[in-house]
Amino acid sequence: EVRLVESGGVVVQPGGSLRLSCAASGFAFDDYTMHWLRQVPGKGLEWVSLITWNSDTTYYADSVKGLFTISRDNSRNSLFLQMNSLRTEDTALYYCAKSLSGYDSYLDYWGQGTLVTVSS
Amino acid sequence: EIVLTQSPATLSLSPGERATLSCRASQSISTSLAWYQQTPGQAPRLLIYGASKRATGIPARFSGSGSGTDFTLTISSLEPEDFAVYYCQQRDSWPSITFGQGTRLEIK
Repeated sequence: EVRLVESGGVVVQPGGSLRLSCAASGFAFDDYTMHWLRQVPGKGLEWVSLITWNSDTTYYADSVKGLFTISRDNSRNSLFLQMNSLRTEDTALYYCAKSLSGYDSYLDYWGQGTLVTVSS
Repeated sequence: EIVLTQSPATLSLSPGERATLSCRASQSISTSLAWYQQTPGQAPRLLIYGASKRATGIPARFSGSGSGTDFTLTISSLEPEDFAVYYCQQRDSWPSITFGQGTRLEIK
């Protein structure tokens, strides 16, 4: 069974930093592109970042470019999102998601999310 | 940036009825479109990809169609568990992917 479990979401002050983690199990983690997405409670979905299977390629939404860094550790089946210079508009539920086999940007499994609140 | 516009914003139907949800892209995206279902408190679930391919385990009552700029998700006969929010997503502008704003399917 595929499982994705996010952690690391807390309340943080504007300008602060946070590192989110996603623990993956039930599939060959090192075969797949992985994504981070976010959702303000009650609002729509926003793609944040992706990383290819071998970390060779990373991409970011314009809204987080230069502020967030995605990484992965295939030996630990883990995905990370380093978030710096956090702003109130970064408040959201953050999901990690697995890409569908053969398609880097369709997302067939999602975690339950971890809540990041940026507030003073 | 490719913008996806979903309509209607809210659709009120009864169990057993047919639901038709629309997604329009601001430019042609071929068949690079997916549909997701999100129920309250849950993560999104992939229903359809490549505009018309059902994801693993998705019931046959869900079908997708369209190409270019106009796409449709059809639920042939609504079950109680189908009342949720539905999002379309494009991958034509890879690596950037974008979502529509969602259609809320509610019980009439």
